[in-house]
Amino acid sequence: ILNVEQSPQSLHVQEGDSTNFTCSFPSSNFYALHWYRWETAKSPEALFVMTLNGDEKKKGRISATLNTKEGYSYLYIKGSQPEDSATYLCASPEASSSGSARQLTFGSGTQLTVLP
Amino acid sequence: DVKVTQSSRYLVKRTGEKVFLECVQDMDHENMFWYRQDPGLGLRLIYFSYDVKMKEKGDIPEGYSVSREKKERFSLILESASTNQTSMYLCASSWGLAQYFGPGTRLLVL
Repeated sequence: ILNVEQSPQSLHVQEGDSTNFTCSFPSSNFYALHWYRWETAKSPEALFVMTLNGDEKKKGRISATLNTKEGYSYLYIKGSQPEDSATYLCASPEASSSGSARQLTFGSGTQLTVLP
Repeated sequence: DVKVTQSSRYLVKRTGEKVFLECVQDMDHENMFWYRQDPGLGLRLIYFSYDVKMKEKGDIPEGYSVSREKKERFSLILESASTNQTSMYLCASSWGLAQYFGPGTRLLVL
């Protein structure tokens, strides 16, 4: 089982603040790094899938960077809004024992609350 | 858009009951997954399936079984529900890298 860790566990910010949080993962045998957003009462939604060292992806006010050599990814939210309140999960795939499919190992998530 | 549906949003069962959680996806995805989510633990993989009638254990398969008779449907079975199986259960499907999740079933075992 991969060891995927996220910090902080929870975060409260004011509307308009920019924020970031971290995902760390084993740097050996890296395959990909996923970020998901999980809003209350909704399904987790894929934000980014990153595969290349130095990769930077952006979706509106949310962006992510990837460092596969040192095993971390940052998720940034610029100008946080109340609708950004959610749990943000990162995950890394590993090959199954049969080699049939790649299962994701998730971090425990960062719960973001944006206060109006 | 990919749609993954789960049979119930909320479920209350008694200890010892047999429980079926159903998941259906409409995008002809090969891979389907069952996770449970508990506070502070993130999503943990119970079982997954990479083809019809094929299944593979995830990280926490004890107390669960699965069935995949048709490509679009993946069922999670709790043979004899116990209180420590009270949790949020999420189904997902995938073809490439990203997984697409259902809305979850919150199961309470009394």
